[in-house]
This record gives sequence, C-alpha cells and structure tokens, in this order.
Amino acid sequence: EVQVLESGGGLVQPGGSLRLSCVASGFTFSGYAMSWVRQAPGKGLEWVSGISAGGGDTYYADSVKGRFTISRDNSKNTLYLQMNSLRAEDTARYFCAKGNTGVPFGYWGQGTLVTVSS
Amino acid sequence: DIVMTQSPDSLAVSLGERATINCRSSRSVFYTSNNKNYFAWYQQKPGQPPKLLIYWASTRESGVPDRFSGSGSGTDFTLTISSLQAEDVAVYYCQQYYSTPPTFGQGTKVEIK
Repeated sequence: EVQVLESGGGLVQPGGSLRLSCVASGFTFSGYAMSWVRQAPGKGLEWVSGISAGGGDTYYADSVKGRFTISRDNSKNTLYLQMNSLRAEDTARYFCAKGNTGVPFGYWGQGTLVTVSS
Repeated sequence: DIVMTQSPDSLAVSLGERATINCRSSRSVFYTSNNKNYFAWYQQKPGQPPKLLIYWASTRESGVPDRFSGSGSGTDFTLTISSLQAEDVAVYYCQQYYSTPPTFGQGTKVEIK
C-alpha cells in the first residue's frame, strides 16, 4: 500500500524558516519525480516545487523561487522542502505528491499545515 | 504558464443525474510525439487530499468507478459523472502536466440538488 506522510508544519513568524519532510512507502521512491503542492485555506491547488527521481533537477514556482529549496534522500525515501523568508501568503496546507511535469500526481499525503503569522 | 479555466465554478445535480464539468487550457497540452494529452482530473473531498481520477485526459485511475469519464483533446476537456452519487460531493480540479509549472484549474464544487 502506498503511503505518503508529511511532517514539519507549524506556526512561524514572518521572515522565519521551516523544513517540511515527506516519508514515502509502498513504491520505489527513487524511481519517481516528486512535488510539493499547497492549498491556502479555502482556496485551490498551487504547485510549489518539483524534483526529478534522482534529485539532480529541481523546479520552482515563481512565487517561491529563491526562498524555498526542494531536496530528497532516496536512501531514506524522504522528500524535503526547506522554506526560508516565509510570508503570510505562504500560509497553506502543504501536500507531498508523487508526480511532476510529465506525469500525473498519483498519490498525495494528508498534508501538513504551515501558518505564517506574528 | 498554462492557465486552466474550469466551468462552472459550482453545480448542483440531483442524485442519479449527469454532472458535466469543463476545463479549458490556454495552450494545447497534446504532445504529438506520443499522441497523449498531458491532462488530469482530481477529486477532493472535505478534509482530504486530492485524489487522481483521470489521467491522459481519458484513462480512469485504478479503482475509480466507471461512472466517471474524461474526454477532450488539445485545449478543451470534460469530466462527466454519468449518475451522481452522494459520495461524489466534492471539489473537482483539472490539471495540466505538460509543462512546468504544472497548473490546476480553480476547482468546481459539485453538490446534490
């Protein structure tokens, strides 16, 4: 059974940092591109960042470029999102998803909530 | 970026009736080299993550009931629920995964009339 479990969310002040993690199981993690997608409260879905299967290629939405860094550790089946210089508009539930440009997003975690507020 | 526009924003359908959601992309998402539309539909129920329903525009994900079907090509796509059930109440999103960034429509809320 495929499982994707995010963690690391919480309340942070504007300008602060957080690191999200996503542990995957039930599929060959190292064989698939992965993405982070966020959803602000009551709003739609916004792709944030993606990474190739091997980790050598990374992609970012313009809204987070230069502030967020995606990475992965295939030996630990874990995806990361380092978020710096957080803003109020980054407040959202962040989902880890199996997929990226070129492939559909087949599996999603339950998400982890990030709240940026003073 | 490719802009995805869904219509309507919401619709109310009687149980057992047909529900139809449309999605238009600002550029074609059809890749001629493999004859595939890089297009998907997702269902999101309250308090849950999105769930993949349809990919390559018309391929049903494993386990998805056959009352859900997808059609269209290029820039215009349709999701049809042939006979609406109570458990289909959700927000439905279209998505293109043809180019970076992958983009989603704004969502269509489906309710029971």
